[in-house]
Amino acid sequence: AQSVTQLGSHVSVSEGALVLLRCNYSSSVPPYLFWYVQYPNQGLQLLLKYTTGATLVKGINGFEAEFKKSETSFHLTKPSAHMSDAAEYFCAVDTGTASKLTFGTGTRLQVTL
Amino acid sequence: EAGVAQSPRYKIIEKRQSVAFWCNPISGHATLYWYQQILGQGPKLLIQFQNNGVVDDSQLPKDRFSAERLKGVDSTLKIQPAKLEDSAVYLCASSLFRGTAETQYFGPGTRLLVL
Repeated sequence: AQSVTQLGSHVSVSEGALVLLRCNYSSSVPPYLFWYVQYPNQGLQLLLKYTTGATLVKGINGFEAEFKKSETSFHLTKPSAHMSDAAEYFCAVDTGTASKLTFGTGTRLQVTL
Repeated sequence: EAGVAQSPRYKIIEKRQSVAFWCNPISGHATLYWYQQILGQGPKLLIQFQNNGVVDDSQLPKDRFSAERLKGVDSTLKIQPAKLEDSAVYLCASSLFRGTAETQYFGPGTRLLVL
C-alpha cells in the first residue's frame, strides 16, 4: 500500500522567510504526487502535482516542489513567505488505481510578522 | 466556471439520528468523490463514482453510510444512524475524468458534529 508522511504538524516562519514543508512517500510503483492547500473553512485547492518528466514542479502562488526518488521525498518550498500563505498543506500520493488519492496528515503553516 | 457546491455547510445532530449531505460537481465532470476529514487528519476517500456508477466504495462503512449519484450529476451522502465518531468534515470533489494523476477539485465541505 502507498502512504505519505508529513514531518511536522505545525511549522512557523517569519514573513519573508523560506517555507519548507516536508513530505516523504512510500510506493511500490512510480508515484504521482500532489500538494494541496486548505484555507480555513474552505475545501482543498491544488498547488502543484508531479506526474512524469521534470522533477522540479512549479505551482501556484510561488510554490514549488522537487521529486527526489532516491530520498522518496517531495518537499514543498517557497522562497519568501507571505501572511496569506497561512493555511494547512496536504501532501498526497495517487495510488495508481485511477484517481485514488492517499493524503498525509497535513502541516499547518503559521506566518508571523 | 462555478466550483463544487456543497450543502449544508454545517450540521449538528444527536447520535442515532440520520443526516444527508448534498454535492453538485463542476459541470461536465464525470467522476465524483466523497471524503471524510476527521480533525487533525488528512481526507480519507469514502466513495468514488464514475458518472452514476460506483467504482470504489471499499472504505465506506456500508452498515450506516450510503451514497448515490442520480443521473450522473448531483450526489447525496447519508449517514443513518450517526455515531459520535462520524463527527468530521465531509468533502465532495470532482474531476473531469477518472485517470491516474487527474486533478480533483474540492468543495468547501460540510462540517458535521454528532452529540
